[in-house]
Amino acid sequence: GENVEQHPSTLSVQEGDSAVIKCTYSDSASNYFPWYKQELGKRPQLIIDIRSNVGEKKDQRIAVTLNKTAKHFSLHITETQPEDSAVYFCAPDYKLSFGAGTTVTVRA
Amino acid sequence: GAGVSQSPRYKVAKRGQDVALRCDPISGHVSLFWYQQALGQGPEFLTYFQNEAQLDKSGLPSDRFFAERPEGSVSTLKIQRTQQEDSAVYLCASSRTPDPYSNQPQHFGDGTRLSIL
Repeated sequence: GENVEQHPSTLSVQEGDSAVIKCTYSDSASNYFPWYKQELGKRPQLIIDIRSNVGEKKDQRIAVTLNKTAKHFSLHITETQPEDSAVYFCAPDYKLSFGAGTTVTVRA
Repeated sequence: GAGVSQSPRYKVAKRGQDVALRCDPISGHVSLFWYQQALGQGPEFLTYFQNEAQLDKSGLPSDRFFAERPEGSVSTLKIQRTQQEDSAVYLCASSRTPDPYSNQPQHFGDGTRLSIL
């Protein structure tokens, strides 16, 4: 099965700064790399995903980069805002990969 | 419906009671997943259905946990003889495609918060 690690486990940033979360995985057959955001007491929601034939994808302030050789992909949030405060999960495998996530706190 | 619907939103049961949690996936979604989310943790996989077929139940923690999706739409997660460690949020998710590895996102419901006294 897939082994997934996400770093850091917590991240505190000043509003307006950038945040980067890295996810490493073990299964070289993985070909879909989503990031989910879960606000306190709410459902996880997909915020961005990337397929294995693409190295980078951007959607406004959010971007995901993929390095298949090194088996990691990262979430980048620029110009962070208070509403970005949440737990973020990478999930390259439906079975195993949510882990404990990264708790992001944006300080006003 | 517009999204994945789960009921009840909250369930309180006494230890030893049986509970049943319901999930209505997005119409037409073939894949359905159940997850257990303990406080402060990420969702942990329980089981996966492709239509009515339960293709993976490797995450079910014990034989007290049982899930079904008899007509390939609504699913029910049943927990028998509940114990305190079963207290968690139970999330259901659905996906359009039959293959969980086929590059499609999961759409989650709001979950059922189960508390065992």
